[in-house]
Amino acid sequence: GNSVTQMEGPVTLSEEAFLTINCTYTATGYPSLFWYVQYPGEGLQLLLKATKADDKGSNKGFEATYRKETTSFHLEKGSVQVSDSAVYFCALKLGITQGGSEKLVFGKGTKLTVNP
Amino acid sequence: GAGVSQSPRYKVAKRGQDVALRCDPISGHVSLFWYQQALGQGPEFLTYFQNEAQLDKSGLPSDRFFAERPEGSVSTLKIQRTQQEDSAVYLCASSWAWGTEQFFGPGTRLTVL
Repeated sequence: GNSVTQMEGPVTLSEEAFLTINCTYTATGYPSLFWYVQYPGEGLQLLLKATKADDKGSNKGFEATYRKETTSFHLEKGSVQVSDSAVYFCALKLGITQGGSEKLVFGKGTKLTVNP
Repeated sequence: GAGVSQSPRYKVAKRGQDVALRCDPISGHVSLFWYQQALGQGPEFLTYFQNEAQLDKSGLPSDRFFAERPEGSVSTLKIQRTQQEDSAVYLCASSWAWGTEQFFGPGTRLTVL
């Protein structure tokens, strides 16, 4: 079946540190890949996405590259801020044209805390 | 509306009670999704509507779970005879068409005692 595995947390960093959160996937076709973020007390928000191999998604200084050869979509940021403290979810979707549906398949989430 | 809204935000039920959770999608959004998020886990898909048609209900865990969207707008997720394992946050998301970004609501936290 289709699944997402992401690095277990929690992750604690100091401000301006480099961030990597690993994400790998298993899918029967060619999924679209996403990172969602959940800030404290708020709903899930789309952070970035990539729809095909070698695409790079980027937003708010975060980036992730769709690597088909390693089935990975690792999230990176060069210099984290306190305001980046949140839970990050990696997800995939096999759309209707892939014989799937519109449902998102999520990883378990990684909690990031950034200290000043 | 400004975003997806859900009500109630918190619900406590005694085991065996029936509950109904409401989702108001963004106005004009055709697609609507329900997800269940257990504590410390990622959201898991329950069901999906395109307008009033329920196109995928493969994630509903049992026949105690039922969802409807009769007029293609507001949706209700009903859980009959609640069990402790139903305790979770229930998330609703909507998108303006298939293949487009899903926008999530704040969720309803259900606690079954």
